[in-house]
Amino acid sequence: RKEVEQDPGPFNVPEGATVAFNCTYSNSASQSFFWYRQDCRKEPKLLMSVYSSGNEDGRFTAQLNRASQYISLLIRDSKLSDSATYLCVVNLNDMRFGAGTRLTVKP
Amino acid sequence: DAGITQSPRYKITETGRQVTLMCHQTWSHSYMFWYRQDLGHGLRLIYYSAAADITDKGEVPDGYVVSRSKTENFPLTLESATRSQTSVYFCASRAGMGYNEQFFGPGTRLTVL
Repeated sequence: RKEVEQDPGPFNVPEGATVAFNCTYSNSASQSFFWYRQDCRKEPKLLMSVYSSGNEDGRFTAQLNRASQYISLLIRDSKLSDSATYLCVVNLNDMRFGAGTRLTVKP
Repeated sequence: DAGITQSPRYKITETGRQVTLMCHQTWSHSYMFWYRQDLGHGLRLIYYSAAADITDKGEVPDGYVVSRSKTENFPLTLESATRSQTSVYFCASRAGMGYNEQFFGPGTRLTVL
């Protein structure tokens, strides 16, 4: 079993749609959690951290369920510029990345 | 400019040759990392370093060597390149663990013929 598993994707959605990504992790001792965004042929960049209480940043909402070892990312009112690959990241002694879920937002 | 840089950005080499990828950061971050990214595997950790002169193996260290004599530099060496090491290599740094953000360099695209 992979340490971090994500929805396989790809997700193709129209502008304005709401889309949700899920991620599960295997190590219950994991300490911190993130979503990174990676544009084609570019380096990953932090989108948002994920806290136990859940957190929101504009159109983006992240949730963490430690009991189920599950992380989610919700994007509301999708924009063309949201098209990218979204990486779920789990940190224990080092960061472990999911394989990523590709999102394409279409006009 | 401040940040994290990698060189070269593109490299083509032949099987059996030694290749060194350079990584430099200007933040004085304690931690530095090397990842490779391949289709279907996502980012996989090769080696990391918690401070100068301290390095540890990651998920896929075989065939790679690292050193960290200075805090700001973390070179990655492929001692005898193989075709399976064709990949995109990302260097990263962060100030500490927990919820500290990890910053990535722009990547090096390595092709081994």
